[in-house]
Amino acid sequence: SAVISQKPSRDICQRGTSLTIQCQVDSQVTMMFWYRQQPGQSLTLIATANQGSEATYESGFVIDKFPISRPNLTFSTLTVSNMSPEDSSIYLCSVGGRIASNEQFFGPGTRLTVL
Amino acid sequence: AQSVTQLGSHVSVSEGALVLLRCNYSSSVPPYLFWYVQYPNQGLQLLLKYTSAATLVKGINGFEAEFKKSETSFHLTKPSAHMSDAAEYFCAVSGRGTSYGKLTFGQGTILTVHP
Repeated sequence: SAVISQKPSRDICQRGTSLTIQCQVDSQVTMMFWYRQQPGQSLTLIATANQGSEATYESGFVIDKFPISRPNLTFSTLTVSNMSPEDSSIYLCSVGGRIASNEQFFGPGTRLTVL
Repeated sequence: AQSVTQLGSHVSVSEGALVLLRCNYSSSVPPYLFWYVQYPNQGLQLLLKYTSAATLVKGINGFEAEFKKSETSFHLTKPSAHMSDAAEYFCAVSGRGTSYGKLTFGQGTILTVHP
């Protein structure tokens, strides 16, 4: 399995500001994803981070709000822009494992609180 | 399109009792199915996965799940609960082809274990 780290682990931000979350993997992976877990809720896929091209966003998520970078096969960033209290969530990155099993491994998450 | 329904947002058992967490899925293609566990303030850990091999899947920590296509179910069981099993459990489904890598999660089931 891959070892995934995220920075920061948590942050408290003011309304209207932006926060960039980093995801680092200890090996090259083809697929990286970003999920959101709102308080008391399940996980929702935000987007697929594509290496060398624009991210693929799920319904309800847009690039202007959640810009994503994927400069290489071990690193990705998610920015939460112009934050509001509704953005308070845990943001998790995940990476794809063996293609045949389609399993994913998750990072520890970034706990974001917006005041 | 795919979806997951976890019956029961909270399940409470006594230590040593059977654990049964229910998951039903909907998928237009043969699915990959997963159970993840999330301990308080931690990320997600993969418990087990179904990838179209054996229908009875054994995972970590004594958990197992059985894929029943006729019932579109993938219930998670453990013969004897331990205090350390207290956590939130998520069932997830992923498709194949263009849906590869995109996990759809259930709402989660919080397992409480009483002494």
